Amino acid sequence: EVQLVESGGGLVQPGGSLRLSCAASGFTFSSYWMSWVRQAPGKGLEWVANIKQDGSEKYFVDSVKGRFTISKDNAKNSLYLQMNSLRAEDTAVYYCVRLGELDYFEYWGQGTLVTVSS
Amino acid sequence: DIQMTQSPSSLSASVGDRVTITCRASQDISNYLAWFQQKAGKAPKSLIYAASSLQSGVPSKFSGSGSGTDFTLTISSLQPEDFATYYCQQYNSYPWTFGQGTKVEIK
Repeated sequence: EVQLVESGGGLVQPGGSLRLSCAASGFTFSSYWMSWVRQAPGKGLEWVANIKQDGSEKYFVDSVKGRFTISKDNAKNSLYLQMNSLRAEDTAVYYCVRLGELDYFEYWGQGTLVTVSS
Repeated sequence: DIQMTQSPSSLSASVGDRVTITCRASQDISNYLAWFQQKAGKAPKSLIYAASSLQSGVPSKFSGSGSGTDFTLTISSLQPEDFATYYCQQYNSYPWTFGQGTKVEIK
């Protein structure tokens, strides 16, 4: 059974940093693209970033370029999102998502809440 | 960026009703279209990918159709567990984008 468990969310001040982690199990982690998707309170879904199986390709939504970094450790079956220079508008539940072989969002974690506020 | 527009934004329906939700892309996305269901306080769940392929384990009452710019999600007979918000999403080109969601409520 595919399991994705996010951690690392919490309250952070504007301008601060936070690192989210996603522990993956139930599949061969090194064989799949992975993603982060977020959802602001009461709002819709927003794709944040993708990373290729070996980490050689990464893509970001414009609003986080230069501030967020996505990485994966295939030896630890873990996905990460390093978030710097956080803004109030980054407040959201962040979901770790495994892409299917045809590049769609196939499996979702339960999410972790990031709140950016003073 | 490709804009995804869903209609309606919300709808009220009764158990047993056939429900159709429409998603329109601002440019041709071929069949790179997925549908998701999200219940209150829960993570989204994948329903349909490649416009019309059913995700494993999803009941056949859900179906998707369309290509190019116009797509539909149909629930053949609405059940109590289907009341939720539904999102379409394109993965044809970056940035990947979602529709604004359609909330399906009980009439």
